[in-house]
Amino acid sequence: AQSVAQPEDQVNVAEGNPLTVKCTYSVSGNPYLFWYVQYPNRGLQFLLKYITGDNLVKGSYGFEAEFNKSQTSFHLKKPSALVSDSALYFCAVRAPTGTASKLTFGTGTRLQVTL
Amino acid sequence: DTEVTQTPKHLVMGMTNKKSLKCEQHMGHRAMYWYKQKAKKPPELMFVYSYEKLSINESVPSRFSPECPNSSLLNLHLHALQPEDSALYLCASSQGPRDYSGANVLTFGAGSRLTVL
Repeated sequence: AQSVAQPEDQVNVAEGNPLTVKCTYSVSGNPYLFWYVQYPNRGLQFLLKYITGDNLVKGSYGFEAEFNKSQTSFHLKKPSALVSDSALYFCAVRAPTGTASKLTFGTGTRLQVTL
Repeated sequence: DTEVTQTPKHLVMGMTNKKSLKCEQHMGHRAMYWYKQKAKKPPELMFVYSYEKLSINESVPSRFSPECPNSSLLNLHLHALQPEDSALYLCASSQGPRDYSGANVLTFGAGSRLTVL
């Protein structure tokens, strides 16, 4: 079975500082990995994904994530946080096998960026 | 059009009512999904439709009945719900004939917030 762990319920960072939201995964085979963001009372919005290739993936709004196979991690990063980045962030994983396999979400990490 | 539109945004219903949630997309996506999300929790997959056929039912109680009338529309019919069914119901869609939720990105609607009294 595949799983995702987001060890931090909340991450606090000052505006202008770098941010990291952690994610580790467990899946059979090579993973498809995703980050989504959810603003209050909204659906999830896609940020970025890793399928294959370069371990550093760049996404929307200046976010990037680094795939580390040996550590089974896919941490989300941004060099300089904005107050508007405050939201709930979900990491997700899927095994690239079969025709009906599912996306498994982590429990989410709330990012709070303050002035 | 790159959106998934869900109606209504809010719904309050009694346990004996029958209501429906609606979802629409015009991106040509051939896979559509219903997720349930409780407060401060991740979305939980309920149903997946591919080419208008139900392909995944995550052991959802029969009081939830999905319907996919055509490739652009997805409904969730609600009947005899319980208060614990109160949640945000999210519709999503993705491309792909076979790879329903693989490398293809899910596009989510804003959700329908359901309250069961």
